[in-house]
Amino acid sequence: AQSVAQPEDQVNVAEGNPLTVKCTYSVSGNPYLFWYVQYPNRGLQFLLKYITGDNLVKGSYGFEAEFNKSQTSFHLKKPSALVSDSALYFCAVRVSRNSGNTPLVFGKGTRLSVIA
Amino acid sequence: ETGVTQTPRHLVMGMTNKKSLKCEQHLGHNAMYWYKQSAKKPLELMFVYNFKEQTENNSVPSRFSPECPNSSHLFLHLHTLQPEDSALYLCASSQDKPTGTDTQYFGPGTRLTVL
Repeated sequence: AQSVAQPEDQVNVAEGNPLTVKCTYSVSGNPYLFWYVQYPNRGLQFLLKYITGDNLVKGSYGFEAEFNKSQTSFHLKKPSALVSDSALYFCAVRVSRNSGNTPLVFGKGTRLSVIA
Repeated sequence: ETGVTQTPRHLVMGMTNKKSLKCEQHLGHNAMYWYKQSAKKPLELMFVYNFKEQTENNSVPSRFSPECPNSSHLFLHLHTLQPEDSALYLCASSQDKPTGTDTQYFGPGTRLTVL
């Protein structure tokens, strides 16, 4: 079975400082990893994904994430946080498949607060 | 978010009512999904449709009944719901690929309150 963990319910960071939102995963097979962001009263917006290739993935709004196979992690990062980055962030994983449909499994989310 | 639209955005219903949620995707995708988002819980996948055929039903109670008349439209029919069914219901779509590398795009959700 596949699973994803976001160990922090809440992350607080000062505006202008670097931010990290942590994600670890567990799959049997090659993982496909995704990050989504949810603003209040909105749906989930896709930020970035790792499929294969370069371990550092760049996405929307200046976010990036690094795939680390040995640590089974896919942490989301941004060099300089903005107040407008304050939102709920979700990590998700799907295992590569040879046949059939495997679901996208989401973490419980991490609330990021960027303080001016 | 204009790629996937959901109506209504808010819905309040009694336990004996019948209502429907509507989702429409304008992205040309072939797969559509219903998710339930409750406070303090991970997103729960409810149903998956691929080329209008239901491919997944995650043990969802029969008071939730999905309908997918074509690849662009998805409905969730609700009847005799319980207060614990109050949640944000999210629709998503993707261009399903055999490799599983497709990205799901979400609508803004319908906030459902069951009294």
